[in-house]
Amino acid sequence: AQKITQTQPGMFVQEKEAVTLDCTYDTSDQSYGLFWYKQPSSGEMIFLIYQGSYDEQNATEGRYSLNFQKARKSANLVISASQLGDSAMYFCAMIPDTGRRALTFGSGTRLQVQP
Amino acid sequence: NAGVMQNPRHLVRRRGQEARLRCSPMKGHSHVYWYRQLPEEGLKFMVYLQKENIIDESGMPKERFSAEFPKEGPSILRIQQVVRGDSAAYFCASSGGTAGYTFGSGTRLTVV
Repeated sequence: AQKITQTQPGMFVQEKEAVTLDCTYDTSDQSYGLFWYKQPSSGEMIFLIYQGSYDEQNATEGRYSLNFQKARKSANLVISASQLGDSAMYFCAMIPDTGRRALTFGSGTRLQVQP
Repeated sequence: NAGVMQNPRHLVRRRGQEARLRCSPMKGHSHVYWYRQLPEEGLKFMVYLQKENIIDESGMPKERFSAEFPKEGPSILRIQQVVRGDSAAYFCASSGGTAGYTFGSGTRLTVV
């Protein structure tokens, strides 16, 4: 079984500052992937970034980077230079590389960017 | 190249009616997943289908819920005799079998 824990129900950040959203996971799978999704108030799920468990480099996508610490089973999302449009719910999720390949989601963090 | 198409976007049903949610995967994708999101919660896996086959329905409620992905046409999630607790956002995602999902915009079901 897989489990994702996001311990920050809500976060505030000032515009243009960086923010880290925490995510820890638990799995018995040897090979897996980790995702972050953004869900704005309009409701759609927007893919942000992906990290494979065997990737040695931390993933980056523009202003998003994933701080992957495998030994600690953490996959924190770092958003640099926050913008007002970053205000949304953020979900961490994981998927095994074999078998069912369904995503397991955390409960999410609501980020509010203040001007 | 159209993404995952879900319709309707919003659906209102009275208690006891049936709800049918449709999902057309991305072109070339043969794997479809349905997830449910209750208010203020993360998405929860419901069912995984390939064309004409249910691969894993371990997340589906035992009663009233069913899903299909026919050879032709969209995948359908069907909820019979809806109750207020079925009110949620239902998301479909498709993949080509490798890492990387594409989600649809979801269907918001409201049961009144």
